[in-house]
Amino acid sequence: QSVLTQPPSVSGAPGQTVTISCTGNSSNIGSGYDVHWYQQLPGTAPRLLIYNNNNRPSGVPGRFSGSKSGTSASLTITGLQAEDEADYYCHSYYRIRLSDWVFGGGTKVTVL
Amino acid sequence: EVQLVQSGPELKEPGESLKISCKGSGYNSYNYWIGWVRQKPGKGLEWMGRIDLSDSYTNYSPSFQGRVTISGDRSLTTAYLQWTSLETSDTATYYCAIQQGSSWYLAYWGQGTLVTVSS
Repeated sequence: QSVLTQPPSVSGAPGQTVTISCTGNSSNIGSGYDVHWYQQLPGTAPRLLIYNNNNRPSGVPGRFSGSKSGTSASLTITGLQAEDEADYYCHSYYRIRLSDWVFGGGTKVTVL
Repeated sequence: EVQLVQSGPELKEPGESLKISCKGSGYNSYNYWIGWVRQKPGKGLEWMGRIDLSDSYTNYSPSFQGRVTISGDRSLTTAYLQWTSLETSDTATYYCAIQQGSSWYLAYWGQGTLVTVSS
């Protein structure tokens, strides 16, 4: 059971918008700690998708965006494409356990 | 270009020791941490711990404290993850990543090292 809760799966047709939630508590996201998102394509290493809540590294398409509010964060994919089918993980700091960074359980995005 | 190259797959028996490596290039090792992440087959990501290669300071997730050791060689820009006595439950892919920024996100990732522990 991860400290950060994500839905196990979401799906959408090409061109649609999907949103993945990441719910924490007052010991992590709710304490103001930044949230980051990673994409893991099948059989590959994860890659950084969004950092510090809403920033995209160079090379990440603009259809990916992030937001944070209160004890939760969200990743939105606008204009879903077939190549977006992957696992997505949120990541933040967990201050109860000193110097501990935690991941969400991951969300499988399926393109219908 | 920043690159992290990890050592190759390992097949070990329970009780054996192991040390895997992660060599970085293309960045200044004084300004970054190297973090280690475990992914068991078919499961999610787990942050294990990290090392600051500039002074070899380490810290661990409580879930991994005492079970693994993270070390590094600044001159070789290489970080290591080691076990003294492997268990079958250690079977997983282990990733290293450069942890950077004010909030220490995992900016660049190695290709992963598959460790299989089986009798």
